[in-house]
Amino acid sequence: AQTVTQSQPEMSVQEAETVTLSCTYDTSENNYYLFWYKQPPSRQMILVIRQEAYKQQNATENRFSVNFQKAAKSFSLKISDSQLGDTAMYFCAFMEYGNKLVFGAGTILRVKS
Amino acid sequence: DADVTQTPRNRITKTGKRIMLECSQTKGHDRMYWYRQDPGLGLRLIYYSFDVKDINKGEISDGYSVSRQAQAKFSLSLESAIPNQTALYFCATSDPRTGGMLGYTFGSGTRLTVV
Repeated sequence: AQTVTQSQPEMSVQEAETVTLSCTYDTSENNYYLFWYKQPPSRQMILVIRQEAYKQQNATENRFSVNFQKAAKSFSLKISDSQLGDTAMYFCAFMEYGNKLVFGAGTILRVKS
Repeated sequence: DADVTQTPRNRITKTGKRIMLECSQTKGHDRMYWYRQDPGLGLRLIYYSFDVKDINKGEISDGYSVSRQAQAKFSLSLESAIPNQTALYFCATSDPRTGGMLGYTFGSGTRLTVV
């Protein structure tokens, strides 16, 4: 079974600085997708960024980017110019093509002013 | 209106009671899912349905049942609630035509407390 590991239960960062959240996963598949979801205090699940495993280029969405290392099965999220509104729980998730999402345990990120 | 609507938003119930959590969607997606979120455990899959006639157990289905009344509706029942079912419950949908590459659309969650 696929597993997703987020080794940082909590992190904090100063406003305007950069922070990286770690994620590793385990699979024997070659074709899959990876996601980062944000859950603010409102508890809504918001898709931040996604990566297709067959694409070597790292995905970027504004201040959010990923470092996808397929051989190492690593998928970290970098948040640049952190803002107070980035304070949230962040979940890394994995999906085989056409299958179900498997989530990590989450990382609580606190952005300090 | 939200694409995926969950009711109720919050619920407190007593041990042993039967409770139903409801989910409806306007996305037109065939696939629907129920997850529960617990601190330190992330989201874990309870049940999923790939179409109206297809219901499958997830990794933690014991103590739960589901009903797919229509493409748009997928309900989760706790037949006899127990305190360790206290959690945040999410319903989600996905479009099989995309192979999952767009991820899921989530409801806003139901906070269930069993006392």
